[in-house]
Amino acid sequence: AAGVIQSPRHLIKEKRETATLKCYPIPRHDTVYWYQQGPGQDPQFLISFYEKMQSDKGSIPDRFSAQQFSDYHSELNMSSLELGDSALYFCASSSEMTDTQYFGPGTRLTVL
Amino acid sequence: ELKVEQNPLFLSMQEGKNYTIYCNYSTTSDRLYWYRQDPGKSLESLFVLLSNGAVKQEGRLMASLDTKARLSTLHITAAVHDLSATYFCAVVSNYQLIWGAGTKLIIKP
Repeated sequence: AAGVIQSPRHLIKEKRETATLKCYPIPRHDTVYWYQQGPGQDPQFLISFYEKMQSDKGSIPDRFSAQQFSDYHSELNMSSLELGDSALYFCASSSEMTDTQYFGPGTRLTVL
Repeated sequence: ELKVEQNPLFLSMQEGKNYTIYCNYSTTSDRLYWYRQDPGKSLESLFVLLSNGAVKQEGRLMASLDTKARLSTLHITAAVHDLSATYFCAVVSNYQLIWGAGTKLIIKP
């Protein structure tokens, strides 16, 4: 069965640079969620989209923005990167039918 | 504000033993999830519990939900090394998942 796809899987950036993470949800899933997970931490909800509209906002810094496109893929744009942004970034998708969030493999971002 | 507490946060046990992880939450919710995460890997959905008294089992793992007590348990029967992972419970509040801190489970051969 198709799963959530995230790219890139690993990303190394320097402070003050920008990064774009991509997420391709499971086909026919209409909701996408972004999470940040630091080492030894639980996932922190950043933002979600339903049918290409922002549906909920969590602890997403103002330096970050996200959108969902017409093909339902989503991108998380991160600017003015800081050392503390180093983390695993997960995308998850769900549909009204499944009611469960299915997670992608994550993007490991390292900010040097 | 909904809070989710798991305990224990760390558990080291021998193969073949039974143990239970607890997940308490502070306000009513109609859905509770259990996820498994291996180090550096993604979160794998294990169970979704929707109603009071719900019990679900998959292999050596069994999850239950008591909505009156606001408590879910994840019971491990005759643990095997492959079950070593971090287990998270998560509860829905205002369409968001509120996560517990996770229970790191180490099962020694």
